[in-house]
Amino acid sequence: QVQLQESGPGLVKPSQTLSLTCTVSGGSISSGGYYWSWIRQHPRKGLEWIGYIYYSGTTYYNPSLKSRVIISVDTSQNQFSLKLSSVTAADTAVYYCAREVGVPPPGYGMDVWGQGTTVTVSS
Amino acid sequence: DIQMTQSPSTLSASVGDRVTITCRASQSISSWLAWYQQKPGKAPKLLIYKASSLESGVPSRFSGSGSGTEFTLTISSLQPDDFAAYYCQQYNSYPWTFGQGTKVEIK
Repeated sequence: QVQLQESGPGLVKPSQTLSLTCTVSGGSISSGGYYWSWIRQHPRKGLEWIGYIYYSGTTYYNPSLKSRVIISVDTSQNQFSLKLSSVTAADTAVYYCAREVGVPPPGYGMDVWGQGTTVTVSS
Repeated sequence: DIQMTQSPSTLSASVGDRVTITCRASQSISSWLAWYQQKPGKAPKLLIYKASSLESGVPSRFSGSGSGTEFTLTISSLQPDDFAAYYCQQYNSYPWTFGQGTKVEIK
């Protein structure tokens, strides 16, 4: 079955760019029918949807982060990535990648998630 | 953004209890609502999509209902494995938004 795995630095300095990659295994990111999402969870708090990408490169970002976010896809590597620029302590969170079922949206929820990776913003 | 409000924030219950969690949307989202279960240190797990459709492999004691602005997640007979946090999520209008969560604790 499809599995997702996040990777990237666990510590980022303030004002720098947070970069994470999600590797998809057990299925092709190019198969269509899915959006590939990033979600974060601040410590002891709820979930925040960051945005998603289709394999063709179509993206949608949360307006609250849009000026700082880029989500990209590399179909040859079966990966998609998140870049969040000008980070502050408020960006400290667990970052998850996930698969959202159903194109075009709305679909059927996010049915496969990575295990999550903790990113701390600190000097 | 559509605001999602869950109640209660914390719920204390015993094994075998029937448990109901409510999620209210700040505007109509039709039936475009999902429910997730999250255990400490783990990723959320999809339970219900489109308000009432059970995700494959999820026990039938979980059910969802509602449309428009008011939704419920019901666990018909609480099991030890069900003590966790539960989140609703709307995907009717961008940006997708989540409720603040309901923690189901052992009474």
